[in-house]
Amino acid sequence: AQKVTQAQTEISVVEKEDVTLDCVYETRDTTYYLFWYKQPPSGELVFLIRRNSFDEQNEISGRYSWNFQKSTSSFNFTITASQVVDSAVYFCALRGNTGNQFYFGTGTSLTVIP
Amino acid sequence: KAGVTQTPRYLIKTRGQQVTLSCSPISGHRSVSWYQQTPGQGLQFLFEYFSETQRNKGNFPGRFSGRQFSNSRSEMNVSTLELGDSALYLCASSLAAGYSYEQYFGPGTRLTVT
Repeated sequence: AQKVTQAQTEISVVEKEDVTLDCVYETRDTTYYLFWYKQPPSGELVFLIRRNSFDEQNEISGRYSWNFQKSTSSFNFTITASQVVDSAVYFCALRGNTGNQFYFGTGTSLTVIP
Repeated sequence: KAGVTQTPRYLIKTRGQQVTLSCSPISGHRSVSWYQQTPGQGLQFLFEYFSETQRNKGNFPGRFSGRQFSNSRSEMNVSTLELGDSALYLCASSLAAGYSYEQYFGPGTRLTVT
């Protein structure tokens, strides 16, 4: 079965704090991709990152960083020095080499308080 | 490059009616997927089209159907609308069908069934 779990439903942080969004996945596929998307209040899902299951290197892009650990089936997302504009719902997603469907987590609603 | 466009953006229909939503992918993208987003169920995959063929289908009743045209534009149709069909319907496009391709989402069509 394919499944993505985002246990944190809502998180509130004060501006400039660091925040980590958790994502745990289940898959029987040998090859898969993991994704993070951001959904601001406007509703449009914005692609943030794609990670191949064979590539466990962490990635940093500006204030964003991702920690992929295959051993724990986790793909966590950290925002450093959060800003009000980071307020959104963040979705983790999985797509395996069989079936080809995207499986989304239930999302984490992040509120950054000024 | 223009993003994914969806029309209409908002729609109000009555139970029992049918509705057609339209999606124009990013130029050059040949795969289009549809998702339903509701507060209770989250993001759920409806179907994926590539080269005018349905490649994948989610677990939705036959009232939900779609098609893709030769220019990659896609439509989805919901017949005999039910109150539970009220949702944000998101369309996403990608270069091709396949698990490695990231999907780019449109702004969605907000359907309200009364």
